[in-house]
Amino acid sequence: QLVESGGGLVQSGGSLRLSCVASGLTFRNFWMGWVRQSPGKGLEWVANINQDGTEEFYVDSVKGRFTVSRDNARNSLFLQMKSLRAEDTAVYYCLRRVGPVIFWGQGTPVTVSS
Amino acid sequence: DVQMTQSPSTLSASVGDRVTITCRASQSVSSWLAWYQQKPGKAPKLLVYRESTLQSGVPARFSARGSGTEFTLTISSLQPDDFATYYCQQYNSYSWTFGQGTKVEIK
Repeated sequence: QLVESGGGLVQSGGSLRLSCVASGLTFRNFWMGWVRQSPGKGLEWVANINQDGTEEFYVDSVKGRFTVSRDNARNSLFLQMKSLRAEDTAVYYCLRRVGPVIFWGQGTPVTVSS
Repeated sequence: DVQMTQSPSTLSASVGDRVTITCRASQSVSSWLAWYQQKPGKAPKLLVYRESTLQSGVPARFSARGSGTEFTLTISSLQPDDFATYYCQQYNSYSWTFGQGTKVEIK
């Protein structure tokens, strides 16, 4: 199970930190990621991180502004978001890849007001 | 990043119709392709993983196949519960990119 938190309303230029707590499997064994969906739009991959946190990957639109990290001791994934823009408004989903299957959380909404 | 091109963007069909959605990758993604169904206000629901394996509980009217860069999702006989938006997702590379989505509407 994946449970996201930390979403909310933030002003343009502000920061927000999303969290995702995982349960049920050994957290440190799996790639994790974030996907978002803006209102009325499709799904957009945002960032991934490998099992020990040594490799991070981002979609171009968030590079330099977002940072993905994990704490394997706390079974937690994070997304630190800075310099937020109106176009970052979306529901953010936490994902876990377990072999051939990707599992999703229920999402946390982020609204950036201009 | 691998680009995924999904078609059509909208599909109008009737209950009982056979419908097919196509997803093309800009480079081979091997068999690392998933299909999701999404309804308004809900998280995507996994239908198919590893190109053609139905997730547990998914009705057998759904089927999927692929060939490295071209993939299809077929619903053999559309049911009222199937009207939704469908997405493909590749997870062969470090990025897990999506197609643009196909909205299946009632004709």
